[in-house]
Amino acid sequence: EAGVTQFPSHSVIEKGQTVTLRCDPISGHDNLYWYRRVMGKEIKFLLHFVKESKQDESGMPNNRFLAERTGGTYSTLKVQPAELEDSGVYFCASSLGAGTYNEQFFGPGTRLTVL
Amino acid sequence: ELKVEQNPLFLSMQEGKNYTIYCNYSTTSDRLYWYRQDPGKSLESLFVLLSNGAVKQEGRLMASLDTKARLSTLHITAAVHDLSATYFCAAFDYKLSFGAGTTVTVRA
Repeated sequence: EAGVTQFPSHSVIEKGQTVTLRCDPISGHDNLYWYRRVMGKEIKFLLHFVKESKQDESGMPNNRFLAERTGGTYSTLKVQPAELEDSGVYFCASSLGAGTYNEQFFGPGTRLTVL
Repeated sequence: ELKVEQNPLFLSMQEGKNYTIYCNYSTTSDRLYWYRQDPGKSLESLFVLLSNGAVKQEGRLMASLDTKARLSTLHITAAVHDLSATYFCAAFDYKLSFGAGTTVTVRA
């Protein structure tokens, strides 16, 4: 069974440009999460989808970030316009359920560099 | 807000010796995870600890949980080169809160 996939693996853009990251969860997983790790710091929660609905977006840093999950399948995270401090690794994870015993499976991450 | 502190951030291990990584968390959590990440790869779940006093072992790695102290440890026995990676702990309270990670290198 395919795991969580993310595209692209790396992205280098200039400040002010737009970037869209994509996450394909494990098939059948209703719960999808985005996390981010900025240089050398902890991995921080960004938001949580249940199917196509945003369950919790308390970790989204500001309104330059927009996440969507069309049809409850794959998800995109758009950064517009990108700033230097947005550089980091963006991880996606998915799980079957959201409760205590539902493990989240992580993708390999997208490394974003904003110059 | 659940906060997780992990230390050390960097750990240079000598082959054959034992080491411990510590993970403290600030408030009650349903479960505690340990993950391993190799460069460019996914976070791989190593252990899930669900209750006070839980101890899990896999090969040279052993994780334990003390919910009263809000402390989990990852103990490495007789380090070998293929344990070089970054290790994260994460506490769960409706979402995962991660520590900053411990970058481990094992030298001969």
